[in-house]
Amino acid sequence: NAGVTQTPKFRILKIGQSMTLQCTQDMNHNYMYWYRQDPGMGLKLIYYSVGAGITDKGEVPNGYNVSRSTTEDFPLRLELAAPSQTSVYFCASRGPYSNQPQHFGDGTRLSIL
Amino acid sequence: AQRVTQPEKLLSVFKGAPVELKCNYSYSGSPELFWYVQYSRQRLQLLLRHISRESIKGFTADLNKGETSFHLKKPFAQEEDSAMYYCALNTGNQFYFGTGTSLTVIP
Repeated sequence: NAGVTQTPKFRILKIGQSMTLQCTQDMNHNYMYWYRQDPGMGLKLIYYSVGAGITDKGEVPNGYNVSRSTTEDFPLRLELAAPSQTSVYFCASRGPYSNQPQHFGDGTRLSIL
Repeated sequence: AQRVTQPEKLLSVFKGAPVELKCNYSYSGSPELFWYVQYSRQRLQLLLRHISRESIKGFTADLNKGETSFHLKKPFAQEEDSAMYYCALNTGNQFYFGTGTSLTVIP
């Protein structure tokens, strides 16, 4: 049981390039989340999804897009990479009840130069 | 607005000493609160949640609605407790995380 899997683990982009961070989970969780973690800032929610076909903005959605075509996958897209998007990105999933915890992936360390 | 505050970025205690990591929240509804831990080179994982009223690895946390706090406590710290600790608030669909406290237990 792999849980939440994120790829790639590391990536360096040039300003203006685009890329997709992949996230997949095998726990049949409805809820999925994308966070960014900046030094000393904790985790900030970018986007989340409550089920296939449904996505919504979190605290810091600007510069990102998501899609949720299947229950398993929740990719995060950066269209025009900017230095401010240099961060560690975490994907998480959760079952249907609010008292259930999130399960996290290992994270993707992204640098924009 | 929903917010989580962890006032201590760094906390050092000696092995065997009591430890308390502070967490305060701001939320007008009924809160669902969690503590997550991230050990070196490992992914973020759940430590405990308030609804379970459980003790995990010797840690406990009590929800105090009057003080809007959910402090994490352990009576006798161990070296393996050294890690990053995050308090999190769930408001239904969204989670809000504190900025984290880095705990170092000195041998």
